[in-house]
Amino acid sequence: EAQVTQNPRYLITVTGKKLTVTCSQNMNHEYMSWYRQDPGLGLRQIYYSMNVEVTDKGDVPEGYKVSRKEKRNFPLILESPSPNQTSLYFCASSFRDRGRSGYTFGSGTRLTVV
Amino acid sequence: AQTVTQSQPEMSVQEAETVTLSCTYDTSESDYYLFWYKQPPSRQMILVIRQEAYKQQNATENRFSVNFQKAAKSFSLKISDSQLGDAAMYFCAYNTNAGKSTFGDGTTLTVKP
Repeated sequence: EAQVTQNPRYLITVTGKKLTVTCSQNMNHEYMSWYRQDPGLGLRQIYYSMNVEVTDKGDVPEGYKVSRKEKRNFPLILESPSPNQTSLYFCASSFRDRGRSGYTFGSGTRLTVV
Repeated sequence: AQTVTQSQPEMSVQEAETVTLSCTYDTSESDYYLFWYKQPPSRQMILVIRQEAYKQQNATENRFSVNFQKAAKSFSLKISDSQLGDAAMYFCAYNTNAGKSTFGDGTTLTVKP
């Protein structure tokens, strides 16, 4: 089944403890992206990647890191999480067709930082 | 920077009736793509319909259609013959051809039986 897989689905952590949310896609998509969703604010793009070793900042990159060492994986790293990073996170991927396809989304990761 | 505005935080429609959700955007680019996504209570993001900015013809997918007015930077979604399963949050989104995307804040659609 073609899909974007995020892990974990739920995570509660403490302030300052480094964490990684994994994202993997099996559709051979070139583009991958991370978003956060907060109540009343829609989805905001954190980072996106057009291909291996190519990443760009989205609208809210502060406090996050990403890497794209393999085409299928795009992990999101929080080096020192803070409570304001409590949010619902989505990973997404798409073909490199000039944005035409739209993104396919994972099921989301609910992160709580206490 | 691109912005996407959904001016209707909440909308409601009677089952089997038609409803239109509004979206406006602002951009200086000429090549871009517009989308409507549906997010039901399961939180899964589902692509409903897409529109390429260089195409004048409005996109249609079964009961879903758009009214794309490029000069006015308007991209509304019409849902015909509304069904209970259409109840969800709907997001309008804008993509550049480099993969950068911007979402509106969403419209919650309620379908009344």
